[in-house]
Amino acid sequence: SAVISQKPSRDICQRGTSLTIQCQVDSQVTMMFWYRQQPGQSLTLIATANQGSEATYESGFVIDKFPISRPNLTFSTLTVSNMSPEDSSIYLCSVGGYDSGNTIYFGEGSWLTVV
Amino acid sequence: GQQLNQSPQSMFIQEGEDVSMNCTSSSIFNTWLWYKQEPGEGPVLLIALYKAGELTSNGRLTAQFGITRKDSFLNISASIPSDVGIYFCAGQRPLYGGSQGNLIFGKGTKLSVKP
Repeated sequence: SAVISQKPSRDICQRGTSLTIQCQVDSQVTMMFWYRQQPGQSLTLIATANQGSEATYESGFVIDKFPISRPNLTFSTLTVSNMSPEDSSIYLCSVGGYDSGNTIYFGEGSWLTVV
Repeated sequence: GQQLNQSPQSMFIQEGEDVSMNCTSSSIFNTWLWYKQEPGEGPVLLIALYKAGELTSNGRLTAQFGITRKDSFLNISASIPSDVGIYFCAGQRPLYGGSQGNLIFGKGTKLSVKP
């Protein structure tokens, strides 16, 4: 399985600010995804990070709020913009694809608290 | 959209007992995955199922991919205190047609084991 590193692992953010989360993988992967897990909840897909093109967002998530970059096959960023307390969540990067047997693995997550 | 119904929502069991949890879906998936999440960590893949009817074991864990491709179960035999955590089922959407193989998650089963 791929080794997935996320930064920051935790942060406390002020309302109205933006924070960029980084996801680094130790090997090239076809697919990279960003999920959100609100407190006590399951995981919800935010978007698929596409290499070299705009991310594909799920219903209820928009690019202005969650801009995503994916400059290459091993790295992606997710920005949470203009944060409010409702954005307090765990944000998880996950990877999968033919090079990892089509199975999806997760990073440790970035735990954001907005105050 | 696609949804997964996972049950039970929580379980309180005695050490040594067997555990069973399941997921059902209104639509077909080609892959079912089971994850475990412990406090402060991202989900860790336990078992991946790729074929309808497939029965796969990983130590004390056994999972099956239902014949209809709309359900899956996970069994844990002879539970131990370190089995504590939240178990999530996930169905993987097709790699084609724009969904790019992302996951739909169940709401999780919280397992507590009493020594």
